[in-house]
Amino acid sequence: RKEVEQDPGPFNVPEGATVAFNCTYSNSASQSFFWYRQDCRKEPKLLMSVYSSGNEDGRFTAQLNRASQYISLLIRDSKLSDSATYLCVVARRGGADGLTFGKGTHLIIQP
Amino acid sequence: EPEVTQTPSHQVTQMGQEVILRCVPISNHLYFYWYRQILGQKVEFLVSFYNNEISEKSEIFDDQFSVERPDGSNFTLKIRSTKLEDSAMYFCASSEAAGGLRMFFGPGTRLTVL
Repeated sequence: RKEVEQDPGPFNVPEGATVAFNCTYSNSASQSFFWYRQDCRKEPKLLMSVYSSGNEDGRFTAQLNRASQYISLLIRDSKLSDSATYLCVVARRGGADGLTFGKGTHLIIQP
Repeated sequence: EPEVTQTPSHQVTQMGQEVILRCVPISNHLYFYWYRQILGQKVEFLVSFYNNEISEKSEIFDDQFSVERPDGSNFTLKIRSTKLEDSAMYFCASSEAAGGLRMFFGPGTRLTVL
């Protein structure tokens, strides 16, 4: 079983629509959770951390369900500039461990 | 805004040659990392470095790889004898805290092994 699983898409969504991505992780010892964004041939960029209580940053809302080992990202009022690959990322422990990445979900916002 | 920088942006080398990829992490960060991404694949962790020593390494990071922080600013990844399958984008990252919090990535070095 893959450590972090995501639907690769692509998700083709009209501008202004709401879109949701999900991800599951296999390691119950995972402690920190993130969504990163990656544009084509660029570095991953931190979009937001994910907390059990749910957190929101503008048009973006992230949610964590530890019992189900499930993470979600909701994008409201999508913009053309939201087109990118969204990476679900987990960190195993609180030390200097590296991050474990999902393969990403490709989002295309259409005008 | 401070950023992680990497040089070169693109490195082409012959199989069996040694390469050194260079990174300058964000100045007040304490944790440094190398990741790689083979074209079309996911980002994979290679190694983390803290307090002048390796903290963790993945199974990808075998004896052909080494890291060094030769001075107060640079962080390097050396591949001793490159293989075709080492062709990938190599990302350096740094963070000020443990646990993956606030980790920032450099723009990457695209390594092509011929």
